[in-house]
Amino acid sequence: EAEVAQSPRYKITEKSQAVAFWCDPISGHATLYWYRQILGQGPELLVQFQDESVVDDSQLPKDRFSAERLKGVDSTLKIQPAELGDSAMYLCASSRDFQETQYFGPGTRLLVL
Amino acid sequence: DAKTTQPPSMDCAEGRAANLPCNHSTISGNEYVYWYRQIHSQGPQYIIHGLKNNETNEMASLIITEDRKSSTLILPHATLRDTAVYYCIVSDYMEYGNKLVFGAGTILRVKS
Repeated sequence: EAEVAQSPRYKITEKSQAVAFWCDPISGHATLYWYRQILGQGPELLVQFQDESVVDDSQLPKDRFSAERLKGVDSTLKIQPAELGDSAMYLCASSRDFQETQYFGPGTRLLVL
Repeated sequence: DAKTTQPPSMDCAEGRAANLPCNHSTISGNEYVYWYRQIHSQGPQYIIHGLKNNETNEMASLIITEDRKSSTLILPHATLRDTAVYYCIVSDYMEYGNKLVFGAGTILRVKS
């Protein structure tokens, strides 16, 4: 069964450093999502791509977060500079198209010291 | 904000059916009910979804009331591996898709 891949699984960094997370969606999935999940809460959508275009980044803190999906396949989420409050699980999900079921990857757990 | 209300936690005996309720009284006609679960430290796992009719797959059954204001997820024979946080989500159909707004979910503990 095809799965969403994410790396790294765990990342420890110091505040003010830059971090990047990578996601490879299920093959053929046009829509890709990045979520952030703070401990004890449900995931919150940060950004949504349709192919290579951003269609919703209303919840993305654009002063420090950026996301790209240059060829419409895999995607990178970057934080620069990282802050203590960015410690969370970062989840990637994909769907065949924008109204289809979303499937999540295993996530990247970030700890900012 | 999440459009659903779920109990914070439930217990179930292993081998018994687990019935997880969800209230979504403000659901509109074209919004689906989705269920996901999240086992500790893993990404959410899709379980099932439905619009009006009851649905069943290899994992669970989804019972939606006729007025669509509530639903129940049924795990027919719960095992210890079903211990997880279960999220009931009403999908918010935006111009570009199917926005999932997660609430706090229900912690299901399956006990032997």
